[in-house]
Amino acid sequence: AQSVTQPDIHITVSEGASLELRCNYSYGATPYLFWYVQSPGQGLQLLLKYFSGDTLVQGIKGFEAEFKRSQSSFNLRKPSVHWSDAAEYFCAVVADTGGGNKLTFGTGTQLKVEL
Amino acid sequence: DAMVIQNPRYQVTQFGKPVTLSCSQTLNHNVMYWYQQKSSQAPKLLFHYYDKDFNNEADTPDNFQSRRPNTSFCFLDIRSPGLGDAAMYLCATSIRGNEQFFGPGTRLTVL
Repeated sequence: AQSVTQPDIHITVSEGASLELRCNYSYGATPYLFWYVQSPGQGLQLLLKYFSGDTLVQGIKGFEAEFKRSQSSFNLRKPSVHWSDAAEYFCAVVADTGGGNKLTFGTGTQLKVEL
Repeated sequence: DAMVIQNPRYQVTQFGKPVTLSCSQTLNHNVMYWYQQKSSQAPKLLFHYYDKDFNNEADTPDNFQSRRPNTSFCFLDIRSPGLGDAAMYLCATSIRGNEQFFGPGTRLTVL
């Protein structure tokens, strides 16, 4: 069965500093990988996705992620964090069930931004 | 704008009183999902519809049911809510299981 690990439960960065959120996955085949962001009391918004091709993917809000098969990782990065980036970030992998792919989420990383 | 809409955004019910949460979409996606998310946890899939085919997760309690009368609407019925069912309920849609688009969620409080 597929699984996703986000080793950092909480991360605090200063505004303007760079950010990297870690994500490791376990899946037998080529994974479909996603990063979602969730602000308090809101639904999940897709930041970016990897299906195939270029291993460095660009997303919205200045985020990018790099797929590294050898490390089973899909880390999220942003060169300069804004205060509005404070939120919870979820990494997820899709398992092809043939009946509607199902997302398996990591436990999330709560990002706090210090002004 | 095409979107996923959930009503109500906040729902308060009493212990044991049936409650229905609503999800509608203008994306014309064929797959619809219901997730339960408790505080500081990842969303947990309850069930999903692939077109009209209902797919229940093995660990979803019988207390939770769902209906999809047409492509646009999907309902989550909680027959006898318990205190442990207080959570955020998220609806999502996708095309044949590709990336999922989430609604804003319904926060359920059980008194």
